[in-house]
Amino acid sequence: GNSVTQMEGPVTLSEEAFLTINCTYTATGYPSLFWYVQYPGEGLQLLLKATKADDKGSNKGFEATYRKETTSFHLEKGSVQVSDSAVYFCALSDPTSGTYKYIFGTGTRLKVLA
Amino acid sequence: GAGVSQSPSNKVTEKGKDVELRCDPISGHTALYWYRQRLGQGLEFLIYFQGNSAPDKSGLPSDRFSAERTGESVSTLTIQRTQQEDSAVYLCASSSPTGEHPYNEQFFGPGTRLTVL
Repeated sequence: GNSVTQMEGPVTLSEEAFLTINCTYTATGYPSLFWYVQYPGEGLQLLLKATKADDKGSNKGFEATYRKETTSFHLEKGSVQVSDSAVYFCALSDPTSGTYKYIFGTGTRLKVLA
Repeated sequence: GAGVSQSPSNKVTEKGKDVELRCDPISGHTALYWYRQRLGQGLEFLIYFQGNSAPDKSGLPSDRFSAERTGESVSTLTIQRTQQEDSAVYLCASSSPTGEHPYNEQFFGPGTRLTVL
C-alpha cells in the first residue's frame, strides 16, 4: 500500500542555517506530493505541492522537488528563521485511488533558535 | 471566503459516553475528509465523502465510529461508547478536485481536541 516515511524530529537549528527534512514515499500510480505545516496553536496549512515527476514546489523560501527515481520529496530552505518553528508533514495523494485521501508522514518538529 | 470550521474546539468526556464532532467545509467543496491525529503520531485517514456518500470508510477504527454528511455540506463524526484510546485531535478537510485546485489540495479545519477521561 501507499506510505510516506519522514525523518524523525525534533530538528533544532540556529537562525540562518540550512534546512533539509527528508521524505520518501511508496505508492502505486503517480501520486501528488505535498508539504503541510502546522504552526504552534494553528491548523494545518499547505506549504507547497508537486503533481508530477521533476516538478518543484516552492513557497516562503521552502522548496521540494518531486524525484520519481528516488521516490523522494525532500523539503529544503536555505536560511531558516525563528518564525519557521513548526511541525512539517509530508503527504501524498494518489489520484488513481478515486478518493484522493492523503497518506501522511509522522511529522517533523522544527525548532529554530535565535 | 470562510475556511473549514469545526466544533467544538475542545471536548472532554467520560469513558463510555457518546460524542459528536461537527465539520463545516468550504462552501461548494464536494469532497470532505476526516483524519485523526493522536499524540506523537501522524495523521490517520478515517473517512472520505464525495457529496453525501462515503465511498471510503476504510480508516474508521471500529464500529463505534460513524459519520454522515448532509446537504453536501455539514458532516458529523460520531463516536459511541468512547474509550481512552479515542483521545486525539480530529481534523476535517475539504477539497474541490474539479475546481481551481485540480491537484486535490485539501483545506483543513482547526480540529477538535477530544479527551476521554
